[in-house]
Amino acid sequence: TAGITQAPTSQILAAGRSMTLRCTQDMRHNAMYWYRQDLGLGLRLIHYSNTAGTTGKGEVPDGYSVSRANTDDFPLTLASAVPSQTSVYFCASSPGRDSKTEAFFGQGTRLTVV
Amino acid sequence: AQKITQTQPGMFVQEKEAVTLDCTYDTSDQSYGLFWYKQPSSGEMIFLIYQGSYDEQNATEGRYSLNFQKARKSANLVISASQLGDSAMYFCAMREVLYNFNKFYFGSGTKLNVKP
Repeated sequence: TAGITQAPTSQILAAGRSMTLRCTQDMRHNAMYWYRQDLGLGLRLIHYSNTAGTTGKGEVPDGYSVSRANTDDFPLTLASAVPSQTSVYFCASSPGRDSKTEAFFGQGTRLTVV
Repeated sequence: AQKITQTQPGMFVQEKEAVTLDCTYDTSDQSYGLFWYKQPSSGEMIFLIYQGSYDEQNATEGRYSLNFQKARKSANLVISASQLGDSAMYFCAMREVLYNFNKFYFGSGTKLNVKP
C-alpha cells in the first residue's frame, strides 16, 4: 500500500533557485497538509488544503505556495529558495472531519539550501 | 500561546522499565483529538495512539497507554517495558476542527533513549 508518496527524498538546492516538492496520495483523503520539521520546533504547518480546489495558509507560509488541482496531488513550491528553508518537509493527509482519524504522513523530503 | 507543549527535550530510560513522556495542550474546543507519533532515526512518522476528548477511558495500544487528564489538559504517553527499538523522537499532536477542517498541531518532540 503506497499511502503518501513524496519526491524527491532529498535535494540540495542553490539559493535563489525554485523547486517543487511533490506529494501524491492514493487514499482519496480530502485534507492535505505540508509541514516543515526543524530541530527543537517540531512540525509547523506551512499550507493546507481542505479539498481539491481550495488551499489555506498555515503558521509559516512565507516563501511557499501550493496548489490542489485534484484530490491526489498537493505540490509545494519554493519560488526562490533561501537557506532558512533548509528543513525536512512532510506531506500529510487526513480523510476529513472524522475525529478519530490520525494524519497520515509521507516519508519526508530533506531539503538543503546552500 | 503554544497549542502543544512537550517540556522534555530528551529522556533516558533503562531497558524493560516504564517511561512517561509529558504533553500538555491548549484548546477552548470541547471536541478534539490527541495523538502520539513516533519518529525513529529513519525519519518516518509512525502513529501510535489516539485519545478523543470525550473518551472516558484512557487509550491503550499494546505497550503504549495515554494518561489523559482533561481538567489538567495533559495527555502523557506511557511506554511500559521499554525496548531498545523504542529509542526515537516522540511527538504529541492535537486535532481541532476549524471551519469544517481538521487542523493538526504538533509539539516540539521528546527524544527518548533506551539504555541496555
